[in-house]
Amino acid sequence: AQSVTQLDSHVSVSEGTPVLLRCNYSSSYSPSLFWYVQHPNKGLQLLLKYTSAATLVKGINGFEAEFKKSETSFHLTKPSAHMSDAAEYFCVVSDQGGGGNKLTFGTGTQLKVEL
Amino acid sequence: EAGVTQFPSHSVIEKGQTVTLRCDPISGHDNLYWYRRVMGKEIKFLLHFVKESKQDESGMPNNRFLAERTGGTYSTLKVQPAELEDSGVYFCASSLQNMGGGYTFGSGTRLTVV
Repeated sequence: AQSVTQLDSHVSVSEGTPVLLRCNYSSSYSPSLFWYVQHPNKGLQLLLKYTSAATLVKGINGFEAEFKKSETSFHLTKPSAHMSDAAEYFCVVSDQGGGGNKLTFGTGTQLKVEL
Repeated sequence: EAGVTQFPSHSVIEKGQTVTLRCDPISGHDNLYWYRRVMGKEIKFLLHFVKESKQDESGMPNNRFLAERTGGTYSTLKVQPAELEDSGVYFCASSLQNMGGGYTFGSGTRLTVV
């Protein structure tokens, strides 16, 4: 069984300050982990993915995430928030080793960016 | 390249009526997935097609939901009869091969059953 827990339902930051969105996962196999973002009235967009290569993964728009097996975490960070980053972010796990391809989503974190 | 297209973008129907959602995947993508987000809940897997065959339909909630993918191109998801708890956003995604995630998602269909 696989699951993800997004520790914050809402995060608010000021423009230009760092962003940290937290995610912990549980997986019976070697997981593939993803972050997706959904802007209002838009589809889900892939930000980045981890598939057992480098533990520090760089994504689009300056986001990155670090896979920490010992902590079962995959937190999303960005050094400096921009107004356009305001959206809902989803941490997602897929059990590659289990032969499955179903994505298990977290409950989402709403990121608010203030001036 | 055109993305994954879903329509309608919004649908409001009465309880007991029938609704059909459509998804056009990226051309050439054999894998097509349906997911759903019910209000206040997480996004959940419904089913997975490989071409026209159902690879995994373990997430379909009950037999009021019928998904088809005739010819292995576009897919439809029919809800008949619709119930209040079916309200939510239905997402479709496609991929060229089983990528274990990293699929391209559509914008979703927001279904409201009143």
